Amino acid sequence: SQKIEQNSEALNIQEGKTATLTCNYTNYSPAYLQWYRQDPGRGPVFLLLIRENEKEKRKERLKVTFDTTLKQSLFHITASQPADSATYLCALDPQNTGFQKLVFGTGTRLLVSP
Amino acid sequence: GAGVSQSPRYKVAKRGQDVALRCDPISGHVSLFWYQQALGQGPEFLTYFQNEAQLDKSGLPSDRFFAERPEGSVSTLKIQRTQQEDSAVYLCASTPSGQTYNEQFFGPGTRLTVL
Repeated sequence: SQKIEQNSEALNIQEGKTATLTCNYTNYSPAYLQWYRQDPGRGPVFLLLIRENEKEKRKERLKVTFDTTLKQSLFHITASQPADSATYLCALDPQNTGFQKLVFGTGTRLLVSP
Repeated sequence: GAGVSQSPRYKVAKRGQDVALRCDPISGHVSLFWYQQALGQGPEFLTYFQNEAQLDKSGLPSDRFFAERPEGSVSTLKIQRTQQEDSAVYLCASTPSGQTYNEQFFGPGTRLTVL
């Protein structure tokens, strides 16, 4: 069973605002955490990976934080656009298997209105 | 270059039928994963191959599920005697190596509906 929590309700924001999505986990000490984007009818697409010794990572309009004390990762999209509308999944390897036996959260659906 | 491809994209089966789902990973990718994604849920790990070796099959729900990758490239996920609870999207993913910190490249999935 999945033990990673993401907001199950859709997040609705206006274009231009910053979207913030949360990923909470319990009982794990992952060496890294990944974020993926999934559009309807498609497979997930990798966005960012953050390691346990990194507090923050950025890629263009995306920013991810990783707080191993709170067991939480935050995913931010600045200057959001309607094209950012999708489901965003966080994933981690709870057993640190080395080959990436990932456990995914349920995902949060983001809707960006023009 | 070509990404991960899966076929068929959609499969409808009557309960009790056997199905075979195919995955073509990115050429040269060593690692291959199968996931099951139920509606409204995240993908759930089924099994993992490194080249032709199946190193982890702990996520396979029952002995009706079988996966193979005989030549270390194309993989097939077979489900015998399908049940309604097998209805889901089956995703395949590959990575260049078996090391950590690799992004996983996913295929579009096969949507299986068992009637």
